[in-house]
Amino acid sequence: AQKVTQAQTEISVVEKEDVTLDCVYETRDTTYYLFWYKQPPSGELVFLIRRNSFDEQNEISGRYSWNFQKSTSSFNFTITASQVVDSAVYFCALRGGGADGLTFGKGTHLIIQP
Amino acid sequence: ETGVTQTPRHLVMGMTNKKSLKCEQHLGHNAMYWYKQSAKKPLELMFVYSLEERVENNSVPSRFSPECPNSSHLFLHLHTLQPEDSALYLCASSQVPGTGWNYGYTFGSGTRLTVV
Repeated sequence: AQKVTQAQTEISVVEKEDVTLDCVYETRDTTYYLFWYKQPPSGELVFLIRRNSFDEQNEISGRYSWNFQKSTSSFNFTITASQVVDSAVYFCALRGGGADGLTFGKGTHLIIQP
Repeated sequence: ETGVTQTPRHLVMGMTNKKSLKCEQHLGHNAMYWYKQSAKKPLELMFVYSLEERVENNSVPSRFSPECPNSSHLFLHLHTLQPEDSALYLCASSQVPGTGWNYGYTFGSGTRLTVV
């Protein structure tokens, strides 16, 4: 069975602070895919990034960066110099090698205060 | 129009009503999904349709009945629901692995369902 754990239910920081959202996953598949999605108050899930299990290279996209470590089964997400517009619920998700759908964590509600 | 469109955005129904949620995608995808998002619970995968055939049903109660008449449309028929079924229902689409899957899933904005 697959499982995604986002231990941080809610994080509140002041604008311009850096913030890291944690994600720990469990799977028996040797090939799998990890995702991060952002859910603003409007409800839709906005795709942020995908990582394959065979590619441990970290990635940076503007103020966003992701740290994938297979040794600890973690795929953490860092926002540098946070902005109020970053306020949302962020979900980490996993797709195994054979399954079609995604297994989601419970999400982390990020609040950026001005 | 592009992307994944869900209608209605909001729905209030009584426990004895019958209603349907609609999802439409204009991305040329051949797999579609229903997810349920309840308060303080992870998004739960309810149904998967791959090439218009249902491939997964995660022990969803029979009061939820999906229908996929073609690769662009997905319905979720609701009848005799319970108050605990109140949630945000999200639709998603993707390409089936092996048919050009680009590792992406596109989600709609969801239908906020309230059962009274």
